Amino acid sequence: DARVTQTPRHKVTEMGQEVTMRCQPILGHNTVFWYRQTMMQGLELLAYFRNRAPLDDSGMPKDRFSAEMPDATLATLKIQPSEPRDSAVYFCASRGVSSYNEQFFGPGTRLTVL
Amino acid sequence: KNEVEQSPQNLTAQEGEFITINCSYSVGISALHWLQQHPGGGIVSLFMLSSGKKKHGRLIATINIQEKHSSLHITASHPRDSAVYICAVRYSRFPAGKSTFGDGTTLTVKP
Repeated sequence: DARVTQTPRHKVTEMGQEVTMRCQPILGHNTVFWYRQTMMQGLELLAYFRNRAPLDDSGMPKDRFSAEMPDATLATLKIQPSEPRDSAVYFCASRGVSSYNEQFFGPGTRLTVL
Repeated sequence: KNEVEQSPQNLTAQEGEFITINCSYSVGISALHWLQQHPGGGIVSLFMLSSGKKKHGRLIATINIQEKHSSLHITASHPRDSAVYICAVRYSRFPAGKSTFGDGTTLTVKP
């Protein structure tokens, strides 16, 4: 049963700490997306990668957020230093080779920054 | 003004009713995406459209590129259809591939 996995599922941390969220895309999918969802802003696209190369990260605050794909089976989203306004659910999604394939979403990481 | 507008914001229906959720957008797009978010928070991709119509079970999605409008229809609605339905568009121009999301339509289907 192919699915996108995300870890951790929940994270509570103090302001100023580093947070790393991980995503394992579906095997064979070459495009990975990071989204953030808050009550105020709804869903927002933060960044996406194709074949491990970042294509667009314009939705991501550059000073504290970074996204990488060390290999085809792992995507990471890092926040350093974290702030209370970063509290949100962070979703990862992956998509197959065709750009018209639907995306498969992970269960999300619920981040709370105190 | 949001580049993607959904209507209605909230919708309550009786089981068995035919439901329509609308999405209008103001930018040039290469594709439109309908998502379903369950009460538990999980997100499922329903359809990706660039033209015409797609059908999957009781769900039908249509798009009119000229009118910049898409609709999601649910036939014979069921309480398990209760969820938030989100429309997202992918820009065709710079930044190509970037997506913008509507605010979602909260659907409640009562037995």
